[in-house]
Amino acid sequence: EDQVTQSPEALRLQEGESSSLNCSYTVSGLRGLFWYRQDPGKGPEFLFTLYSAGEEKEKERLKATLTKKESFLHITAPKPEDSATYLCAVQAVDTGNQFYFGTGTSLTVIP
Amino acid sequence: KAGVTQTPRYLIKTRGQQVTLSCSPISGHRSVSWYQQTPGQGLQFLFEYFSETQRNKGNFPGRFSGRQFSNSRSEMNVSTLELGDSALYLCASTTPSNTEAFFGQGTRLTVV
Repeated sequence: EDQVTQSPEALRLQEGESSSLNCSYTVSGLRGLFWYRQDPGKGPEFLFTLYSAGEEKEKERLKATLTKKESFLHITAPKPEDSATYLCAVQAVDTGNQFYFGTGTSLTVIP
Repeated sequence: KAGVTQTPRYLIKTRGQQVTLSCSPISGHRSVSWYQQTPGQGLQFLFEYFSETQRNKGNFPGRFSGRQFSNSRSEMNVSTLELGDSALYLCASTTPSNTEAFFGQGTRLTVV
């Protein structure tokens, strides 16, 4: 069964304190791994898509990496505006555009 | 460039009623997927439509249905509403290359 597990569930950081969020996945055949940011009451905002082990993508203070079993979202020197829930999702090769989502990591950055 | 538009943003319905939600994808995107988000279950896949055909379906009862029109706009319908159907319903529009998927702001459905 295709599964996605995110850890930790919640993370509190001081402004400027770098950290990483983890996404472990089990999928029959990985088509792509997606990272989203979601603010309260809003739809998820697309961040990155990763396709193969060893791939990395960066956007401002965020960097996503991928291995054969997990992905990390590294947050460097976070700011309070980075506070949000970060969602990881995978697509399998045999289920079209269907996402399997993790339950997310709620990040709070304290000034 | 316009994003994914979902209407209405908020709905309050009574148990037993039915409801129709609408999603207009980004221009040029033919794949539209629907998700239900609740605090306990997270985001759960409902179904995906591509070129007016349902391509994939999640594990939801038959009360949940959808369709897609020739202009790629999609609707989902929930009949005989239950209290447990209260959720944020999200629509995602996927690029033709399938490399990115963008979500709308969602429709918050409350069943009382």
